[in-house]
Amino acid sequence: GENVEQHPSTLSVQEGDSAVIKCTYSDSASNYFPWYKQELGKGPQLIIDIRSNVGEKKDQRIAVTLNKTAKHFSLHITETQPEDSAVYFCAPGGGYNKLIFGAGTRLAVHP
Amino acid sequence: GAVVSQHPSRVICKSGTSVKIECRSLDFQATTMFWYRQFPKQSLMLMATSNEGSKATYEQGVEKDKFLINHASLTLSTLTVTSAHPEDSSFYICSAKRSDSSYNSPLHFGNGTRLTVT
Repeated sequence: GENVEQHPSTLSVQEGDSAVIKCTYSDSASNYFPWYKQELGKGPQLIIDIRSNVGEKKDQRIAVTLNKTAKHFSLHITETQPEDSAVYFCAPGGGYNKLIFGAGTRLAVHP
Repeated sequence: GAVVSQHPSRVICKSGTSVKIECRSLDFQATTMFWYRQFPKQSLMLMATSNEGSKATYEQGVEKDKFLINHASLTLSTLTVTSAHPEDSSFYICSAKRSDSSYNSPLHFGNGTRLTVT
């Protein structure tokens, strides 16, 4: 099955700084790479995703980059704001029509 | 669009009783829904894949007789925790995939149900 590792587990930044979270996966058949944001007491919400035929995707302050050869993809948040504070999960989609979630990264953005 | 409603948001029950959690896709059809369990400050653990009109597929280590899943329509899946015990206390989250989506595509999540068994 898919092994997913996410780093770092916690990340603390000052407002306005950038944050980068990396996700490593094992299944070479994975072809879908989403990032989810979970706020306290809520379900995860998709914030950005990418498919294996694309190396990078950007949506305003959020971007995802994919290195399929090395089997990792990263979430980049620029100009961080306090409302970006949450837990972020990667969940690469392998060949089993299901998503396996990473352990999560707790991001704290300090004003 | 793509709203998933999960009910109840919180439930407290006594040990030995059963609890049913509903997951509804409000504005789309979902052939496949997924049930996750999440312990405090931990990741989401996939419990089972629910397919409309057929039996659910359970992940290794998840007791199918303990966690009954029914997916009787394209917009509703239910999870029943039978004979609940304190160790079943957790945050249960459902997600749904649009029927018209591709093999690996976004999941839309409900807001979870916090179950406390006393």
